[in-house]
Amino acid sequence: SQQGEEDPQALSIQEGENATMNCSYKTSINNLQWYRQNSGRGLVHLILIRSNEREKHSGRLRVTLDTSKKSSSLLITASRAADTASYFCATDRGEGGKLIFGQGTELSVKP
Amino acid sequence: DGGITQSPKYLFRKEGQNVTLSCEQNLNHDAMYWYRQDPGQGLRLIYYSQIVNDFQKGDIAEGYSVSREKKESFPLTVTSAQKNPTAFYLCASRANRDRGGPSGANVLTFGAGSRLTVL
Repeated sequence: SQQGEEDPQALSIQEGENATMNCSYKTSINNLQWYRQNSGRGLVHLILIRSNEREKHSGRLRVTLDTSKKSSSLLITASRAADTASYFCATDRGEGGKLIFGQGTELSVKP
Repeated sequence: DGGITQSPKYLFRKEGQNVTLSCEQNLNHDAMYWYRQDPGQGLRLIYYSQIVNDFQKGDIAEGYSVSREKKESFPLTVTSAQKNPTAFYLCASRANRDRGGPSGANVLTFGAGSRLTVL
């Protein structure tokens, strides 16, 4: 079962612009995580936000979490061509270590 | 370097054959996971194992089997019962809860994936 719904499914921007991706989920969570996947490769963990946190920063990444709306957003500031990848949110409901992934946003950053 | 190694990277299977995908980790992680990814879609959990000699079904376990005889290894067998096995398969492991990392968090480390194609 898929917990997360992400939008947009695809996003194309110019270098230097900001990119915002959204994730919605259905049930209560312990934490929400964002991962990045380059084409044909494995996923890499970017950032984790706990259910009692509202905002978190890591370098050019900013994540927000609204548990009342069951939604999260990932902002990448001053994007670079190297940021081109698919981005997935994943929710941890505390069930035996399972993470439930959304369907992802495909980001294309044009130089 | 510590990490997760999946092999083979590419695999072709004929109808009716079983194939086994290898996943080995040297991170000393207790938990390991297998996910399936179809084009343009997210990851779906096939099986997971939190300790040696124990594993649980995920959301799409039918047609798959696993074993966890060693902490480092979690091979996945795609059996002939899996009707649509063509996909990208990802193995992951999780840092132990009591050995560093955010308390109670489930941050996964992924392998590079194995792409299975049925001919």
